[in-house]
Amino acid sequence: DAGVIQSPRHEVTEMGQEVTLRCKPISGHDYLFWYRQTMMRGLELLIYFNNNVPIDDSGMPEDRFSAKMPNASFSTLKIQPSEPRDSAVYFCASSLPGIDEQFFGPGTRLTVL
Amino acid sequence: AQSVTQLDSHVSVSEGTPVLLRCNYSSSYSPSLFWYVQHPNKGLQLLLKYTSAATLVKGINGFEAEFKKSETSFHLTKPSAHMSDAAEYFCVVRPNTGGFKTIFGAGTRLFVKA
Repeated sequence: DAGVIQSPRHEVTEMGQEVTLRCKPISGHDYLFWYRQTMMRGLELLIYFNNNVPIDDSGMPEDRFSAKMPNASFSTLKIQPSEPRDSAVYFCASSLPGIDEQFFGPGTRLTVL
Repeated sequence: AQSVTQLDSHVSVSEGTPVLLRCNYSSSYSPSLFWYVQHPNKGLQLLLKYTSAATLVKGINGFEAEFKKSETSFHLTKPSAHMSDAAEYFCVVRPNTGGFKTIFGAGTRLFVKA
């Protein structure tokens, strides 16, 4: 398996623009997680899905952020409108049910100017 | 409330000397504890995990950690550092209340000198 795939790897956009980050989990993994990593706040769990259903979105910072998982092999994290403070590395991770290990993707480095 | 504190933001060791990365946790429930490693520009990789079995846990690449409930600690050690160990290390706690909500420490960056 290729592991968790994220795209794009780097995104530079201007304040106010819509940004969509994409993730393909490892095939067969029922759990999918979105994290944000910044120098100031470290690594934060934003939301996670089980069998394509959002289970806990309490980490989503505000209404500008939304995440979807239309099927078992694809998820998006959207920011609309984006702001400079959203600049961070966003990680997607997946895991099997009942298994503690999360497999992380390489991340998307987002810069909002 | 659950929290995890990594006591050192940076640790520097010489190649071949022991590594100690310190982690303390706070959890209202019996937690699962993990150490992850992140190499530059890469995602995180699981090193080892404690899930209420043996208190001394062995992981990959010669790392191990000991769960000490009385001290609420889960320090990561390695007898002999290698240059390839230079990375950032995260201690992670997951309260066993159901669900997958995980709390990451701030990270400790390990430098290894030749």
